[in-house]
Amino acid sequence: GNSVTQMEGPVTLSEEAFLTINCTYTATGYPSLFWYVQYPGEGLQLLLKATKADDKGSNKVFEATYRKETTSFHLEKGSVQASDSAVYFCALSKTSYDKVIFGPGTSLSVIP
Amino acid sequence: EAQVTQNPRYLITVTGKKLTVTCSQNMNHEYMSWYRQDPGLGLRQIYYSMNVEVTDKGDVPEGYKVSRKEKRNFPLILESPSPNQTSLYFCASSRTGGGGGYTFGSGTRLTVV
Repeated sequence: GNSVTQMEGPVTLSEEAFLTINCTYTATGYPSLFWYVQYPGEGLQLLLKATKADDKGSNKVFEATYRKETTSFHLEKGSVQASDSAVYFCALSKTSYDKVIFGPGTSLSVIP
Repeated sequence: EAQVTQNPRYLITVTGKKLTVTCSQNMNHEYMSWYRQDPGLGLRQIYYSMNVEVTDKGDVPEGYKVSRKEKRNFPLILESPSPNQTSLYFCASSRTGGGGGYTFGSGTRLTVV
């Protein structure tokens, strides 16, 4: 079946470090891929998405590239801040009308 | 402001006492869904609704009911709550389905004793 695997962490970084959170997926065809972020005590927020191979999802500070050949969608940020401390979820949806399937989440802690 | 509003944020109840968690969205979204989030199990879909009067089971529907009488509202009903329904619950909405990206509510932390 369809699934998402991501590094579970916790990941601890110092401010200004480079961030990579790995995500791989299992699905047939070309699912849409997402990254969501959950800050403490809040609901999930959509961070970025990509809908086809080689698409680069971006929200100006976070990026992820849809790699069909490696079935991956790794999240990157060039310089993290303490305010980036949160849980990050990789996710997929087979079609526009299907539900979202979430990975287990990766907890990130950024130390000032 | 575009948002999904859930109430209450926190609820402690006793086994067997019926309760309703409300969810309302102001974005005219067709699709609404309920998830529960549990440590080690991640986010699991309980029920979803593609449109008014159309609801369907997700992955873990046992012990829950929903209704969709109006487009904006999608309440989650626990007719006879049990301790294994202690969880963090999220309502989400989107224009069509998951493919467009969800907008989530802030969550309801339910404890059943």
